[in-house]
Amino acid sequence: EVQLVESGGGLVQPGGSLRLSCAASGFTFTSYWMNWVRQAPGKGLEWVANIKQDGSEKYYVDSVKGRFTISRDNAKNSVHLQLNSLRAEDTAVYYCASSLGGGYDPFDYWGQGTLVTVSS
Amino acid sequence: EKVMTQSPATLSVSPGERATLSCRASQSVSNNLAWYQLKPGQAPRLLIYGASTRATGIPVRFSGSGSGTEFTLTISSLQSEDFAVYYCQQYNNWPPEFGQGTKVDIK
Repeated sequence: EVQLVESGGGLVQPGGSLRLSCAASGFTFTSYWMNWVRQAPGKGLEWVANIKQDGSEKYYVDSVKGRFTISRDNAKNSVHLQLNSLRAEDTAVYYCASSLGGGYDPFDYWGQGTLVTVSS
Repeated sequence: EKVMTQSPATLSVSPGERATLSCRASQSVSNNLAWYQLKPGQAPRLLIYGASTRATGIPVRFSGSGSGTEFTLTISSLQSEDFAVYYCQQYNNWPPEFGQGTKVDIK
């Protein structure tokens, strides 16, 4: 059974940092790009970042460039998202999701998400 | 600016009835269009990719159609478990982009 389990969310003050993690199982992790997608309260889905199978390519939505960093550990079947300089508008449920072709393929497996709340 | 527009925002349907959801792209996305189902507290689920191909394990009552800029998701006979929010997503142009969603609720 495919499983993606996110962790690391929580309440953080503006300007603060968090590190999100996603543990994958049940599929060949090294065959997939890994993505982070978020959903702000009452809003739609927004793709945030992705990383190639071997970690050699990383892409970000403009609004998080320079603040968020995606990484992966293929030995541990995990992907991470380091969130720095957090803003209120970063408040959202963050999902990890897999895709075969980066941003040019659908997101076939998803986790249940982890909530990040940025507030003083 | 590339935009994915879904309509209606909310669709009220009785169990057993047909639901038709629309998704429009501001520029052509060929057939690189996916549909997802979101329920509170659950992992989003891929329903349709390639505009019309059902993902693994998706019931036949879900069907997708369209190409270019106009797409439709049809649920032929709504079951209780189908009441959810549905998103379309294009993966033809960078960056991948989602619509704002259609909530299907019980009439």
